[in-house]
Amino acid sequence: SAVISQKPSRDICQRGTSLTIQCQVDSQVTMMFWYRQQPGQSLTLIATANQGSEATYESGFVIDKFPISRPNLTFSTLTVSNMSPEDSSIYLCSVGSTSDSYEQYFGPGTRLTVT
Amino acid sequence: GENVEQHPSTLSVQEGDSAVIKCTYSDSASNYFPWYKQELGKGPQLIIDIRSNVGEKKDQRIAVTLNKTAKHFSLHITETQPEDSAVYFCAASRGGAGSYQLTFGKGTKLSVIP
Repeated sequence: SAVISQKPSRDICQRGTSLTIQCQVDSQVTMMFWYRQQPGQSLTLIATANQGSEATYESGFVIDKFPISRPNLTFSTLTVSNMSPEDSSIYLCSVGSTSDSYEQYFGPGTRLTVT
Repeated sequence: GENVEQHPSTLSVQEGDSAVIKCTYSDSASNYFPWYKQELGKGPQLIIDIRSNVGEKKDQRIAVTLNKTAKHFSLHITETQPEDSAVYFCAASRGGAGSYQLTFGKGTKLSVIP
């Protein structure tokens, strides 16, 4: 499976500011995804990051709040904009397997606290 | 859309006993069912998965069963060890058909008591 890293691993931010989270993969992958995991909760898909085109957002998530970039096949960023305490969550990127069209592998996550 | 229900939400077992976690799904078009283990402070780790053309899959102490007719699947862990303590998530998707979205259950916190 691919090795996935995320930066930062955690951050504490003030409300009204923005944070950009980076996701780096050690191999080229077609599919990259961003998930949110609120404290003690399950995972919810935010968007699919498409290389060379606009991200595809799930219901309840909008580009103005969560802009995503995917400049190449190994890297993506998620920005959490104009943050409020309700944005305190773990943000996870995942990638689709290069050898299997079904499997997804997750990065270690970014733990965001908004005060 | 897909809805995945997971039970129980918490499970405590004695070391060496078996643990079973059950999930049901709503979308009959779902064909891929992975299980993830999430330890504290880490991202989810894929531990086993099953596709709709298979009824059972085993990997050492863990196994997954799938009943397509009833739309439910289960994770079985035998001979549990303290390092099995974690939160386990089931998920469902229409993987391989251009739709990779994983819909997750709410998770089961497994505690293995030494």
